[in-house]
Amino acid sequence: DADVTQTPRNRITKTGKRIMLECSQTKGHDRMYWYRQDPGLGLRLIYYSFDVKDINKGEISDGYSVSRQAQAKFSLSLESAIPNQTALYFCATSDRRTYNQPQHFGDGTRLSIL
Amino acid sequence: DQQVKQNSPSLSVQEGRISILNCDYTNSMFDYFLWYKKYPAEGPTFLISISSIKDKNEDGRFTVFLNKSAKHLSLHIVPSQPGDSAVYFCAASSRDDKIIFGKGTRLHILP
Repeated sequence: DADVTQTPRNRITKTGKRIMLECSQTKGHDRMYWYRQDPGLGLRLIYYSFDVKDINKGEISDGYSVSRQAQAKFSLSLESAIPNQTALYFCATSDRRTYNQPQHFGDGTRLSIL
Repeated sequence: DQQVKQNSPSLSVQEGRISILNCDYTNSMFDYFLWYKKYPAEGPTFLISISSIKDKNEDGRFTVFLNKSAKHLSLHIVPSQPGDSAVYFCAASSRDDKIIFGKGTRLHILP
């Protein structure tokens, strides 16, 4: 079983719909992150959380919201999806002990907004 | 403003030869650097890292070199193998928990 699980793996939806992407982890890590990947743009940070009830904006948080329901769960919501939010979304976790710990990524959610 | 730059979108290398992937950064507050490897339909996986107090870190076929004065790091893969064909991301982090990824370099290992 994967340590970092993202659901769904693929989603096609329409402009204006509300969408939630879920992430759960079994690594016991405190830190969780949401990234999006666009062709030619690498990975850009949307939101991150260092603990339950801790939420921080990343580089491109506009149009997104998150919820850290438990240590193991971090969900990303698009309240009203728009076509330029079509992208590959990754959840990641890392150990809280020091800032310089590598991140562990899920296999991604491919989101298409028509 | 790109703080972490991977200027080569793609690189082709003959199997058995050395692959060299480059990364430049602009923010002098970055003091920890990581390389990730990504296959299609999978998430990035951690490959190797280096702290700013070092100039080299080696792990098997993979070596990362850091030149702080030039704000440049490179990943060397020797010898290159077919399974090394992937996208490689350089990432930099700082003590204020900022983490920035480069755009990635697609490495093709040719038979």
